[in-house]
Amino acid sequence: DGGITQSPKYLFRKEGQNVTLSCEQNLNHDAMYWYRQDPGQGLRLIYYSQIVNDFQKGDIAEGYSVSREKKESFPLTVTSAQKNPTAFYLCASRLAGTGGHQPQHFGDGTRLSIL
Amino acid sequence: AQSVAQPEDQVNVAEGNPLTVKCTYSVSGNPYLFWYVQYPNRGLQFLLKYITGDNLVKGSYGFEAEFNKSQTSFHLKKPSALVSDSALYFCAVRDRADSSYKLIFGSGTRLLVRP
Repeated sequence: DGGITQSPKYLFRKEGQNVTLSCEQNLNHDAMYWYRQDPGQGLRLIYYSQIVNDFQKGDIAEGYSVSREKKESFPLTVTSAQKNPTAFYLCASRLAGTGGHQPQHFGDGTRLSIL
Repeated sequence: AQSVAQPEDQVNVAEGNPLTVKCTYSVSGNPYLFWYVQYPNRGLQFLLKYITGDNLVKGSYGFEAEFNKSQTSFHLKKPSALVSDSALYFCAVRDRADSSYKLIFGSGTRLLVRP
């Protein structure tokens, strides 16, 4: 079955540590996205990538970094500069070039907590 | 600036009764509109979208939504609620003129269907 796989499901970060969240898709989608979800705030866009080797900052990129070396993969690194990283992180992908109204498809998320 | 408002944090309805989850939006141009559902500790699942044409859009699991351009609304409806519909619902908008293809999400509405 095609889909988006996020790993790990739960992740704990120590002070001063960088952690990387994995996102892999086998949907052959061009665009990929990272969102942060906090209670009562909906989803906020961290980074997005519309093609390989290119990505743009979203609304809350500070303290995060990404790479897009392969079409299938869009890992997110939460750096030690992100002072409040505890949240539910969602990865999504979308088939581009089809009029812009294709929905985003989501993985099942990674819950990050501070130790 | 684009924005989405979901004015109700929670909607309570009895099983078998009709349900409505409200959404209003603000975009500078013409919108694409989406509804997603989220179950606990899962990603978002796409329910339906409005592109153009008929103002009543039908989607998955018996849900439908009514687009009202004059009121800038896109309310989600279902004629007969099920207990299994209890979940968190998100409305999202994309301005067709926005080349970033970013989605703007509302803060979410929790639907509770009581037996």
